[in-house]
Order: sequence, then C-alpha cells, then structure tokens
Amino acid sequence: GQQVMQIPQYQHVQEGEDFTTYCNSSTTLSNIQWYKQRPGGHPVFLIQLVKSGEVKKQKRLTFQFGEAKKNSSLHITATQTTDVGTYFCVEIQGAQKLVFGQGTRLTINP
Amino acid sequence: SAVISQKPSRDICQRGTSLTIQCQVDSQVTMMFWYRQQPGQSLTLIATANQGSEATYESGFVIDKFPISRPNLTFSTLTVSNMSPEDSSIYLCSVEAGQGNTEAFFGQGTRLTVV
Repeated sequence: GQQVMQIPQYQHVQEGEDFTTYCNSSTTLSNIQWYKQRPGGHPVFLIQLVKSGEVKKQKRLTFQFGEAKKNSSLHITATQTTDVGTYFCVEIQGAQKLVFGQGTRLTINP
Repeated sequence: SAVISQKPSRDICQRGTSLTIQCQVDSQVTMMFWYRQQPGQSLTLIATANQGSEATYESGFVIDKFPISRPNLTFSTLTVSNMSPEDSSIYLCSVEAGQGNTEAFFGQGTRLTVV
C-alpha cells in the first residue's frame, strides 16, 4: 500500500510560535490517525479522524481531515516545550495494518 | 487501554548472534504487531502475530530472519536472528484497543545495537 507523505520532515520553532504538519495521500483514506513520539519514547495515540472535512480539537492541538479525505493536518497553537517530539500521521490499511507517515520532528527553542 | 511490558529495553549484541524480544500485554488481544524503527526514521511493520497461527510478514521481512512466537493471547516474542549492524534499530510491539477501536498501544521499545 502507498504511504502517506508527511511534511515537513523537521520543524524548529521558538516557544510560543505555532506549528503545523501536513499529510497527503494520492488515494482516498478511510480514516487517519495521529501519534506523538517523545524523544526516547514510544508512539502515543492522539486522535483518529474518520469523516470528510472533520475538525477535532484537543486544547492547543487542532486536527483536520480534508474534504476529499486525501489530506490531513495537525496544528499546534502557541507551542510549549512539552510539545517537543515527532508527530506521525498514520493510515489504516485493510483491517488493522497501520502505515506510518515519515513523521515531522518538532524542536522548540525555549 | 492496554499496558504492554516489553523487554529488554536495550541491548548491545555481537554480529552473528540472535536476540529475542518479549512483549506481555495486560489483557487478551487477538493480534499483536511488531515494528522496526531505524535511527531517525518512521515505524515499519514487520509482521502481525495471531495466536495459534503463523505470523504474517510484510514485504521485505522473512520468518528466518525474524521468527515470531505467539503462544497465548497475552504474549509474543520477536527474534532478530544472525544479526548484523544493519539490524541496529528500535523494535516495538503493539496491540489495538479492541472492540472496534483501532487506537494502537505500544510497548516501550527495545533499542538494539549490533557491533
């Protein structure tokens, strides 16, 4: 199966600045998940998006699923040092197979 | 939710040897998944392990190199055989939340260095 393309690969921001990572697919996605992996840690589930045009918020994090269900984004408002880590979008293929995007590594200057 | 205990957390191994990684889940799960994360890279699925049947391997991964056991619904092992420095990676096991919920839970990972 084709992997979702995620950009940027790296992002460095000043604390308090916003951050956005994008995922794009050439095919329609049934749903998409987002995970965060802290340095030295394991991936932790953040959210799942299923519906076309869906927008979900978790405090400073906003997740969007495109109208055509071919792209998704994660936006963090006013980053904090606790946001440091790598953010992955994940496509679910078949029944339960997770296919990870390349990830966006976020570093923050305090 | 599911709590996964994975061990060892890290190891340094000589080339040509094998390492077996264990994952214990605090609840019964149908499928367990094994991933590899090469340095600075994303996660790649190695295989899916069902209890009572042979594991299903993804393209590029073979049973002789990564034999998997799944003796019961709460436990699985992954062996990295005849290791070379290219096998240096983080290996993670994973399960799903179940009951239609596809959220995945991961073990803490095994950081393997082959010298």
